Amino acid sequence: EAQVTQNPRYLITVTGKKLTVTCSQNMNHEYMSWYRQDPGLGLRQIYYSMNVEVTDKGDVPEGYKVSRKEKRNFPLILESPSPNQTSLYFCASRVTFTTNYGYTFGSGTRLTVV
Amino acid sequence: GQQLNQSPQSMFIQEGEDVSMNCTSSSIFNTWLWYKQDPGEGPVLLIALYKAGELTSNGRLTAQFGTTRKDSFLNISASIPSDVGIYFCAGQGPSGTYKYIFGTGTRLKVLA
Repeated sequence: EAQVTQNPRYLITVTGKKLTVTCSQNMNHEYMSWYRQDPGLGLRQIYYSMNVEVTDKGDVPEGYKVSRKEKRNFPLILESPSPNQTSLYFCASRVTFTTNYGYTFGSGTRLTVV
Repeated sequence: GQQLNQSPQSMFIQEGEDVSMNCTSSSIFNTWLWYKQDPGEGPVLLIALYKAGELTSNGRLTAQFGTTRKDSFLNISASIPSDVGIYFCAGQGPSGTYKYIFGTGTRLKVLA
């Protein structure tokens, strides 16, 4: 089954404790992206990657890092999480940057930072 | 970053009623997409629109690409309880701009 897999689904952590949210897709998509979803603000792009070793900032990159060493994986790293990073996070992929077929989204990671 | 204006923000309807929602932008888009997000899940693509004026159906769902290219509409006919969720529009920009811009969502609740 074609899918984007995120882990973990739920995470509660403390301020300052580094964490990684993993994302993997099995569709050989070039383009991958991370979004956060907050009430009333919709989906905001954090980082994206056009291909292996090519990443760039989205609209809200502060406090986050990403890497793209393999085509299928695109982990999101929070080096020193803060409470304002409490949110619902989605990883998404699409065939290429220019495709107009839309994204396939993961099931989400609900992160709480206390 | 830019976001699309989606309305209504939320709505309660009775089972069997028809539902209409829309999405507007100050920018022209070449592609409009409609997604549904079930509670606790990620958004799933419902309908994609690629041409101004285009009308596309997916079961009880019908979406239209506005003729001005600055808006899109989604209708759900004869709603059922499993239609509950958040509906998002997304636009992909004019030539040279491939980023997707998302709406803030319409939360639909269906009363049996």
